[in-house]
Amino acid sequence: AQSVTQLGSHVSVSEGALVLLRCNYSSSVPPYLFWYVQYPNQGLQLLLKYTSAATLVKGINGFEAEFKKSETSFHLTKPSAHMSDAAEYFCAVSVLRSGTYKYIFGTGTRLKVLA
Amino acid sequence: DGGITQSPKYLFRKEGQNVTLSCEQNLNHDAMYWYRQDPGQGLRLIYYSQIVNDFQKGDIAEGYSVSREKKESFPLTVTSAQKNPTAFYLCASSMQGTYGYTFGSGTRLTVV
Repeated sequence: AQSVTQLGSHVSVSEGALVLLRCNYSSSVPPYLFWYVQYPNQGLQLLLKYTSAATLVKGINGFEAEFKKSETSFHLTKPSAHMSDAAEYFCAVSVLRSGTYKYIFGTGTRLKVLA
Repeated sequence: DGGITQSPKYLFRKEGQNVTLSCEQNLNHDAMYWYRQDPGQGLRLIYYSQIVNDFQKGDIAEGYSVSREKKESFPLTVTSAQKNPTAFYLCASSMQGTYGYTFGSGTRLTVV
């Protein structure tokens, strides 16, 4: 069965430091992968998506993610954290089931940025 | 601008009452979804609909009902049969395929 695992429910980084949020997926077929960001009491906003084109995907707000098939990973990175990056981040995979695409979400990683 | 509108943003109800959460989209998306979000549990799928007048149960449909009479609208009713209804509810829509979701801003339901 397809699944998504986000390692670390809470991550803290200093302002200006590298942000690395981990996501591993389990899929028997090539997946479509997404990262979303959620600010408090808001919906989820799409950061970036991988749909089998380039393995390094650039998103909004300076984030990027690299699809590594050999490691079944899709980690999210940003070179320099900003205070405004503090939020919860969700990795998701889209898989084809019974003729339609279903989305499976990870349990989320809450990013804290320290001044 | 196109988007998804959820209303109300905050909702308080007494235990034992049914309550309906609104979700409207003007993106011309075919599919619509309802998710429930609880701390530390990520998003859990309640119901989804791919076309008008058709919908399917998700992973946690018990105690909930939906309708899809119009392409733009997908209201969710939280019934008195839902044992623990206090949560943050998110509505989403998508085109068929791999384009990802567009989410509404959510409704926080508190049952007292």
